[in-house]
Amino acid sequence: DAKTTQPPSMDCAEGRAANLPCNHSTISGNEYVYWYRQIHSQGPQYIIHGLKNNETNEMASLIITEDRKSSTLILPHATLRDTAVYYCIVRVTNTGNQFYFGTGTSLTVIP
Amino acid sequence: DAGVTQSPTHLIKTRGQHVTLRCSPISGHKSVSWYQQVLGQGPQFIFQYYEKEERGRGNFPDRFSARQFPNYSSELNVNALLLGDSALYLCASSSGLESWTGELFFGEGSRLTVL
Repeated sequence: DAKTTQPPSMDCAEGRAANLPCNHSTISGNEYVYWYRQIHSQGPQYIIHGLKNNETNEMASLIITEDRKSSTLILPHATLRDTAVYYCIVRVTNTGNQFYFGTGTSLTVIP
Repeated sequence: DAGVTQSPTHLIKTRGQHVTLRCSPISGHKSVSWYQQVLGQGPQFIFQYYEKEERGRGNFPDRFSARQFPNYSSELNVNALLLGDSALYLCASSSGLESWTGELFFGEGSRLTVL
């Protein structure tokens, strides 16, 4: 069962920040939020993950609301190579390490 | 270091046949997971293996089975293939299990077409 809701598609101008929202209203206290992206049917690529606090790495920033029911992935300066499908995932930990992918957001970066 | 490697990259089968897909995890990783990705959808969890034991199973029929070997490589087997089994099969590896909070590394996948 998909545990996340994302808009099906978004556009972003090259060089601008891309803000990708995700709703995960049924998330449990010990479940992490992960973001992956997939470029043209290649294997998904890890971007970032977090539990409660905001996180930042060389690729992106992850903003998680205080109630943890939603989050936003921020690509600070989108490039054409960032065009991909972005998946917001809740990781289930009680049985193995199942990742529930939804249908993702198809991000198109426009020149 | 080599990433997650999968073989074959592409294959075509006919209905009723069986298929075996193979995966080698990143060196040092003990956990392997399998996912099915049908065209236009996100990946769906099939199995997870850790230290050669099944530690998680998704909502797939018994025609799907897997195993993990002592060197942590893994095989996914699908019997009695149906047209609906046509998909990209992804293998992912990680270093740990429940307490692990790191990154899941994916291979490039095996694309199966069932005719």
